Parts: sequence; structure tokens; C-alpha cells
Amino acid sequence: GAGVSQSPSNKVTEKGKDVELRCDPISGHTALYWYRQSLGQGLEFLIYFQGNSAPDKSGLPSDRFSAERTGGSVSTLTIQRTQQEDSAVYLCASRSRPSGTYNEQFFGPGTRLTVL
Amino acid sequence: AQTVTQSQPEMSVQEAETVTLSCTYDTSESDYYLFWYKQPPSRQMILVIRQEAYKQQNATENRFSVNFQKAAKSFSLKISDSQLGDAAMYFCAYRSEFGNEKLTFGTGTRLTIIP
Repeated sequence: GAGVSQSPSNKVTEKGKDVELRCDPISGHTALYWYRQSLGQGLEFLIYFQGNSAPDKSGLPSDRFSAERTGGSVSTLTIQRTQQEDSAVYLCASRSRPSGTYNEQFFGPGTRLTVL
Repeated sequence: AQTVTQSQPEMSVQEAETVTLSCTYDTSESDYYLFWYKQPPSRQMILVIRQEAYKQQNATENRFSVNFQKAAKSFSLKISDSQLGDAAMYFCAYRSEFGNEKLTFGTGTRLTIIP
């Protein structure tokens, strides 16, 4: 695809349910990031993938959050036993393998998660 | 840890006028990047402009320019000849020169353009 895509665009779930959010990065991009944007807040970093490995998971807010990436491409962010405070927009970004001093992160349109 | 502060939750400007959005940051690093991103209602984050900390010259992109004051740790965005399509949330962001290149964002400024 031409850009980063995310699905679903919107997700409404009930408290306590598990949800999976999907990110399809730009083809060939080896780095992938997940960010969370809560109401009235900026984006906060969640996790970084380089290929299929996640060397930085420091932003995951609790052990209910996990993410994986397969084939160096698609990534899935899973939230178990969702809570109302998990309601936010979850954004994914990808970046090409660095060949110079700067490589732009390209963002997807995000998934808006609402936990009732 | 780095922090980014945007002290103006909302700003408005008349169409065709100039507006400046403020951003300050805190870091102990000497090499880094600073960015301004635009987020329209579509939620798509769009890179507006970037500045490398080692460059003294302020970055410009058409109607967008920055005032980068490294010693003061200030990074403001000036939008000239404001257009209706400029209405959006604007986020200031910081990225270290090294490491995994994750972005640290401010809380954003909502810009309204008055016709």
C-alpha cells in the first residue's frame, strides 16, 4: 500500500473484553512504533519494533498490553481485560531502515478505541 | 527523560494573517531533532517541518517556519498567510539523535482559522 494502514478505524468494546488492533506498515519499513493518544493529551510512545523484535517496550502501561509483529510486517496490539482508561486513539507509525541521519516516521490514521 | 511542553491549548488567527505556536522542551542531550506535526480531524499525523539541533539556521517550508533557540530550548512554529486548511491540532515533538528514534510529543495546540 501507499501508506500505513490500521484497522479497525473505530472499535467500541465493553469493559473487561479483549481487543486486537492491527497495523500494516509501509512495505519495506523495518521499524514500527505504536503510540497512544488520550483525550486532551499528546501522543505517548508504547512500543518499538525493529523487524520482528521489540527492543523497547518501555511505554506499555501495564501487563494487559502486548504487541507482536510477524514477518517483519503486520503488527497487532492486544489489550486484555480492557478498562475505561484504555479509551484513546492508538496510532501506528513506520520508518525505513536508516541509511542516513534522518528517516521520517509515517503515521497511520489510527484506531479510536472506546471502552464502555 | 525528555519532555515537551506546549502551553497554548488553543489559538485562533484570521485568514491570511500570521500566527506563532509555542513549544519548549527539556533535554540533556546536545544532538536531537525537533518536529512540528499537524493532525487534522482525519487523525492522520502529517509532518510539517523538522529541525536538526546542530543546524543554526531555522528551517522553513513554504509558509511554515520555525524559530529555534537551542540555549533557551524553545522551538516555535510560525504560519504565514494562514489558510482555512491550516486548521488542525499541532504537535511539537522531540527525537534523540541516537537510540530507537521514538518521538516525544507535547500536548498539542488546536489552531482555528477565522474566515
